[in-house]
Amino acid sequence: KAGVTQTPRYLIKTRGQQVTLSCSPISGHRSVSWYQQTPGQGLQFLFEYFSETQRNKGNFPGRFSGRQFSNSRSEMNVSTLELGDSALYLCASSLGSRSHNQYQEPQHFGDGTRLSIL
Amino acid sequence: GQQLNQSPQSMFIQEGEDVSMNCTSSSIFNTWLWYKQEPGEGPVLLIALYKAGELTSNGRLTAQFGITRKDSFLNISASIPSDVGIYFCAGYNAGNNRKLIWGLGTSLAVNP
Repeated sequence: KAGVTQTPRYLIKTRGQQVTLSCSPISGHRSVSWYQQTPGQGLQFLFEYFSETQRNKGNFPGRFSGRQFSNSRSEMNVSTLELGDSALYLCASSLGSRSHNQYQEPQHFGDGTRLSIL
Repeated sequence: GQQLNQSPQSMFIQEGEDVSMNCTSSSIFNTWLWYKQEPGEGPVLLIALYKAGELTSNGRLTAQFGITRKDSFLNISASIPSDVGIYFCAGYNAGNNRKLIWGLGTSLAVNP
C-alpha cells in the first residue's frame, strides 16, 4: 500500500516568491493535514482538509493557504515568502471517516518538502 | 497553541541500555501516539494508545497510557544504533478538538 507522497522533496526560493507544495494521501484516506517543522519548534499545525473543505486551522498568517481536490490530493501555497518560512513542510493523512472516532485516528506522514528561502 | 511537555529533551546512551521518555499534559487526553522521525524522513507511527492504563508493545518498544489520562510513557529496551532519531509524543485531548497536539520531541543518540 503506497504511503503519503509529497512533491517536491526539496525547493529553493527567494523572498517574495510564492510556492505550491503537493501531497497525495494514502489511498482511501480523506483527511489531509499540513505541518511546518523547524528545529526547536516541533510540528506546528497549519490546517486540515476533509472532503475538499478546510475543517481545522492553526495560527499561521493568511499567506499560508491550502486546498483539497475531489481525489483527496491536497496542495498548500505560501505567498510572499519570508526567510522565516524556511522549514520542512509535512503532510499527513488519515481516514477521517465519520464511521470512525476522528479524535483517535493516528496520522500517517509523508517525508516532507524541505523549503529553503534565500 | 497547546503543546505537550515531553522529556527529556535529549538523551545520549550506550548501546544495550534501556531508555525511558515521557509526555505530560495539563488536560485529559483520550488518545496517545508515539512517533519516531529519522533525518530526512517524516515521522513514523510506532505505537497508538486508546485506553487509560493500556500497555502496548512493538518489538523492543513499550508505551503506556497513564491512569490519570494526562501522561504517557515510552520505553525502549536494549537500545541499538538504529534507534537513533527523534521521538515525538502526540495526542488528542478529550475536548471537542480535532487537532493533534504534539510534544517537542526527545532526541536519542546511541553510542555503539
